[in-house]
Amino acid sequence: GAVVSQHPSWVICKSGTSVKIECRSLDFQATTMFWYRQFPKKSLMLMATSNEGSKATYEQGVEKDKFLINHASLTLSTLTVTSAHPEDSSFYICSAIFSGRGTHEQYFGPGTRLTVT
Amino acid sequence: GQQLNQSPQSMFIQEGEDVSMNCTSSSIFNTWLWYKQEPGEGPVLLIALYKAGELTSNGRLTAQFGITRKDSFLNISASIPSDVGIYFCAGLRETSGSRLTFGEGTQLTVNP
Repeated sequence: GAVVSQHPSWVICKSGTSVKIECRSLDFQATTMFWYRQFPKKSLMLMATSNEGSKATYEQGVEKDKFLINHASLTLSTLTVTSAHPEDSSFYICSAIFSGRGTHEQYFGPGTRLTVT
Repeated sequence: GQQLNQSPQSMFIQEGEDVSMNCTSSSIFNTWLWYKQEPGEGPVLLIALYKAGELTSNGRLTAQFGITRKDSFLNISASIPSDVGIYFCAGLRETSGSRLTFGEGTQLTVNP
């Protein structure tokens, strides 16, 4: 159990376009999901906390108007990169908290590789 | 920024050897999680620790939650080639809600 999926696994888009990435918890409900960004050979950098039914909480330095997050249901959060630029190219990973056993276990999706040309 | 010091940054070992890596912090953590990430994939949860002093095993992996609550280590025994990857520690502080703090990762290479 505790499987998180992401779609698409990779995407190439042109500069100026918008890209939507989906994150789903497949076998559990997640009131809280997280979006991370990872650069090559680096650790994960938290971008925002996605809360079901409320606005996302963004980390300092992350532009909320550029990275739109919608957590419309207990199993789905989406990240939309608006007006993408080459510097937005990165590996985006989501995670979801599984607290079914009264513990805090955060499970990650397989990631989405975004390339902006 | 990162508040977890993870070491070593990289390790090159022979198949069959044991491996040890650790994370330390100046802050107290309530939960420690250890993940493994392979190229092009998301991190996979290996072990979760919730109590100071807790020692937990998952197959050949063993992790401990330090008594001071400021550190944790992960051991891998009898390494095999498929252990190759980046291992991350992550901690949860009482003051950070559900937001994890990550270490910088340990790149493990296992030579057959």
